[in-house]
Amino acid sequence: DTGVSQNPRHKITKRGQNVTFRCDPISEHNRLYWYRQTLGQGPEFLTYFQNEAQLEKSRLLSDRFSAERPKGSFSTLEIQRTEQGDSAMYLCASSSGLRNGDTQYFGPGTRLTVL
Amino acid sequence: EDQVTQSPEALRLQEGESSSLNCSYTVSGLRGLFWYRQDPGKGPEFLFTLYSAGEEKEKERLKATLTKKESFLHITAPKPEDSATYLCAVQATGYSTLTFGKGTMLLVSP
Repeated sequence: DTGVSQNPRHKITKRGQNVTFRCDPISEHNRLYWYRQTLGQGPEFLTYFQNEAQLEKSRLLSDRFSAERPKGSFSTLEIQRTEQGDSAMYLCASSSGLRNGDTQYFGPGTRLTVL
Repeated sequence: EDQVTQSPEALRLQEGESSSLNCSYTVSGLRGLFWYRQDPGKGPEFLFTLYSAGEEKEKERLKATLTKKESFLHITAPKPEDSATYLCAVQATGYSTLTFGKGTMLLVSP
């Protein structure tokens, strides 16, 4: 078990460009979550998947954001036409979905800087 | 709307000086309360899950407790390597997502 992995770890882009991040969850976990964290704040929920189905999206997730989880394995988060306000740490987490033990395990995050 | 408030925002301790971090929460129904540790530039690292009032869990120098309105993370005889931001999060009944507080930044000086 190698834990949750995320790539890239750092991304610097210019305003208006599109970016895509990848998350590989813990292999036996069927739930996958995306959060965003800015400096001095706790993580804020963006969206989550159970297998390949996207079950919930936050109001924070504007139409410039899209997430996919093809075949219920890895997930991608794409941001189109990036803005400086999108600069943040993007965190991915996974869980097994057990009723009484749905602990989420986080990856190392992708740090996005929009110039 | 679920809310989590952590205090203090920052805490500076001398090595060996025990203290507690507070997490106050409001949630429609509690499925679980989670504590994470986060080092600068890294993702949160899971510490504990608490499910019901009166529950306690321990790991090395850390002990987490839960009441109906708040949770405490007690740090006994801390060491410099305990320096980190400690995050508290709640999960509401019927939901899977986590609502986090802003965290407490702990600095332990030798």
